[in-house]
Amino acid sequence: GAVVSQHPSRVICKSGTSVKIECRSLDFQATTMFWYRQFPKQSLMLMATSNEGSKATYEQGVEKDKFLINHASLTLSTLTVTSAHPEDSSFYICSAPPVGAPRAEAFFGQGTRLTVV
Amino acid sequence: GESVGLHLPTLSVQEGDNSIINCAYSNSASDYFIWYKQESGKGPQFIIDIRSNMDKRQGQRVTVLLNKTVKHLSLQIAATQPGDSAVYFCAENEKGSNYKLTFGKGTLLTVNP
Repeated sequence: GAVVSQHPSRVICKSGTSVKIECRSLDFQATTMFWYRQFPKQSLMLMATSNEGSKATYEQGVEKDKFLINHASLTLSTLTVTSAHPEDSSFYICSAPPVGAPRAEAFFGQGTRLTVV
Repeated sequence: GESVGLHLPTLSVQEGDNSIINCAYSNSASDYFIWYKQESGKGPQFIIDIRSNMDKRQGQRVTVLLNKTVKHLSLQIAATQPGDSAVYFCAENEKGSNYKLTFGKGTLLTVNP
């Protein structure tokens, strides 16, 4: 099946610094990728939709200036958490439906555990 | 959409038993549903899907049932194995929403040997 690679898998950063997370589709192209956040023992909450070549669409309550998304190619989307604070510590997951795939059958990356200290 | 709870519902079964995991959804415009399995520290893994024009779909050891009247989805796992222990999420896709998924709260399945 299609493979989505997320990097890094774990990152620890100091409060106030920025962290970039990459999401790559390894063997398919994706014009759309999704970024989710998951707190312990909770469900996945959609943060934003990343659109290749255009601006990301953010869900209500998600600060676009804090969570910068760039989708510069058909195989790569990046999420940058700017000026990170301890409350941003979470599990961040990306997903990508292949172009032309059965609708919404998205493939997920392995997630990035962000810890802000 | 689904609300997010602070505590995951849990289901504990004996190895070899059948498991049934339930999910309620609220969006009547959803017409495609997926069950995902998520192991600790990993991303969700696709298990099985079903479209709203069906009420049952079977895979290998898994069956999904859809009741649109009461907006209820269930996942049945036959002969549950310790490797099935994980959190299971249902996800719904609203027609016309361009691949966007809304996840349910999840159920933690523990299989006792």
